[in-house]
Amino acid sequence: EDQVTQSPEALRLQEGESSSLNCSYTVSGLRGLFWYRQDPGKGPEFLFTLYSAGEEKEKERLKATLTKKESFLHITAPKPEDSATYLCAVLQTSGSRLTFGEGTQLTVNP
Amino acid sequence: KAGVTQTPRYLIKTRGQQVTLSCSPISGHRSVSWYQQTPGQGLQFLFEYFSETQRNKGNFPGRFSGRQFSNSRSEMNVSTLELGDSALYLCASSIQGSSYSEQFFGPGTRLTVL
Repeated sequence: EDQVTQSPEALRLQEGESSSLNCSYTVSGLRGLFWYRQDPGKGPEFLFTLYSAGEEKEKERLKATLTKKESFLHITAPKPEDSATYLCAVLQTSGSRLTFGEGTQLTVNP
Repeated sequence: KAGVTQTPRYLIKTRGQQVTLSCSPISGHRSVSWYQQTPGQGLQFLFEYFSETQRNKGNFPGRFSGRQFSNSRSEMNVSTLELGDSALYLCASSIQGSSYSEQFFGPGTRLTVL
């Protein structure tokens, strides 16, 4: 059975203090790993898709990387508007359903 | 381009009742997936529809059902509501041709069962 574990559960940063969120996964054949951002009361917003180990993608202050066992979401010089819950999900080669982790709740203080 | 829309946004029901939620995907998207989100369980996959056919199903009881119409709009139904069905129900759409494409989520329907 696919498993996705995100850490830490919650993270508080000062504005400008860079950090990383972790997503470790167990899946029988990874087709893709996805990062989403979710604000309170809203649906998840798509950020990145990573398909193979070694792949990296960037968007503004966010950079996602992928290895064979985990993915990292690096946040460089975060701002208060980056505060949200970040969700990681995996898709296995044999299916079309996403398996989500519990998420990391990020708070960036001004 | 309009995003995924879900109606209603909020619902309050009592135990034993049934409810129908609606989802309109992004124009051109043929796949619709439904998820349940609760604080304790996170996002859990309910089912996926593609071209009016259920293509995948999660581990939920038969009280949870869905369908998709020819215009790709989808509905999900929950019968005999239980307190534990209180959750945010999210719909996601994707193009879903021969290869996988990203899923885009709607704002969700907040269901409260009293």
